[in-house]
Amino acid sequence: GEEVAQTPKHLVRGEGQKAKLYCAPIKGHSYVFWYQQVLKNEFKFLISFQNENVFDETGMPKERFSAKCLPNSPCSLEIQATKLEDSAVYFCASSPRDSGGYTFGSGTRLTV
Amino acid sequence: GQNIDQPTEMTATEGAIVQINCTYQTSGFNGLFWYQQHAGEAPTFLSYNVLDGLEEKGRFSSFLSRSKGYSYLLLKELQMKDSASYLCAVTTGSGNTGKLIFGQGTTLQVKP
Repeated sequence: GEEVAQTPKHLVRGEGQKAKLYCAPIKGHSYVFWYQQVLKNEFKFLISFQNENVFDETGMPKERFSAKCLPNSPCSLEIQATKLEDSAVYFCASSPRDSGGYTFGSGTRLTV
Repeated sequence: GQNIDQPTEMTATEGAIVQINCTYQTSGFNGLFWYQQHAGEAPTFLSYNVLDGLEEKGRFSSFLSRSKGYSYLLLKELQMKDSASYLCAVTTGSGNTGKLIFGQGTTLQVKP
């Protein structure tokens, strides 16, 4: 499809619980990006993938956060043992290699 | 370091023209994007500048000066539906492979 599909739209977790977010990029887009937007503040880059390979993980917290993009499956972002500070909207974006720009999904609002 | 500045809030009148400025200091530059984000929705692409000059697209125009590290988004004939956040973002990667570095966003309120 021509949209980036993120599920679920809303996710509520108690402190210490696990949260898992999903993102289906636009077909044919080889790059996937995850961003975190806390309240109405700026987007913080977390991690990007080129197909199923990690491309840039410089924004990824060292602990508790992990992400995967496996063939024929939606990409996922998992937070182990959530903390209050993880409450945010998590956006996924995808892009083709050379032109066409970045397309964002509608986000998953995580409330801890 | 990476720094992108834009005003936090602006107010304008329906039918008027508004200019939203963005200054950036980044290690590398491969293009500047403007996105529009309505509350609770995904950012949507407005414009992309990689060369100096003005790009016009309907009521929206975007300008870039790489030597000054400066861009602006110009919105003409403002409509109530233009009330939204406007995000300035820079990429340093080639093509669409690099992460976007965002400013804090400018919340524009259009009044009747």
